[in-house]
Amino acid sequence: EVKLVESGGGLLKPGGSLKLSCVASGFTFSNYWMHWVRQAPGKGLEWIGEIEYDGTETNYAPSIKDRFTISRDNAKNTLYLQMSSVRSEDTATYFCTTEGEGGSFAYWGQGTLVTVSS
Amino acid sequence: DIVMTQAPLSVSVTPGESASISCRSSKSLLHSNGNTYVNWYLQKPGKSPQFLIYRMSNLASGVPDRFSGSGSETDFTLKISKVETEDVGVYYCGHGLEYPYTFGAGTKLELK
Repeated sequence: EVKLVESGGGLLKPGGSLKLSCVASGFTFSNYWMHWVRQAPGKGLEWIGEIEYDGTETNYAPSIKDRFTISRDNAKNTLYLQMSSVRSEDTATYFCTTEGEGGSFAYWGQGTLVTVSS
Repeated sequence: DIVMTQAPLSVSVTPGESASISCRSSKSLLHSNGNTYVNWYLQKPGKSPQFLIYRMSNLASGVPDRFSGSGSETDFTLKISKVETEDVGVYYCGHGLEYPYTFGAGTKLELK
């Protein structure tokens, strides 16, 4: 069974930093591109970015580019999202997902909530 | 960025009847390889999104065949035949054609 478990969310002040983790199991992690998608409270879905199988290529949404960094450790089956210079509009539940066919998002974690507030 | 527009914002359906949700993209999602890169997801209340359909009309693994997807280059439809109570939630379309990937605002399906 595919399982994705995010952690690391919490409350932080504007301008602060936080690192989220996503531990994967039930599949060969190193064979998949991985993505982060977020959802502000009561709002829709927003793609954050992705990382290639071995971490050599990343792509980001313009809204977070140069502030967030996606990385992975295939030996630990773990995906990361380093958030810096956060803003109130970054308040959201952050989901990690596996890439499926046709640029889809096949499996989703339960999400971790990040709240940015002074 | 490609804008995905869904309609209606909400739909109320009697169990056992069918429901259709529309999604329109601001740019053709037809790739030169012949595939159309629109996908559908369902987010049940209090849950994470779950994968329903990829490349416009292909059911994800384990998805009941009550669900079907169709469309053209820019106009897409998700149809649910014989709606069941477990189908309640918010349906999102999203594209996978180019960066950044974007989603529609969602359509809430409720039961009458």
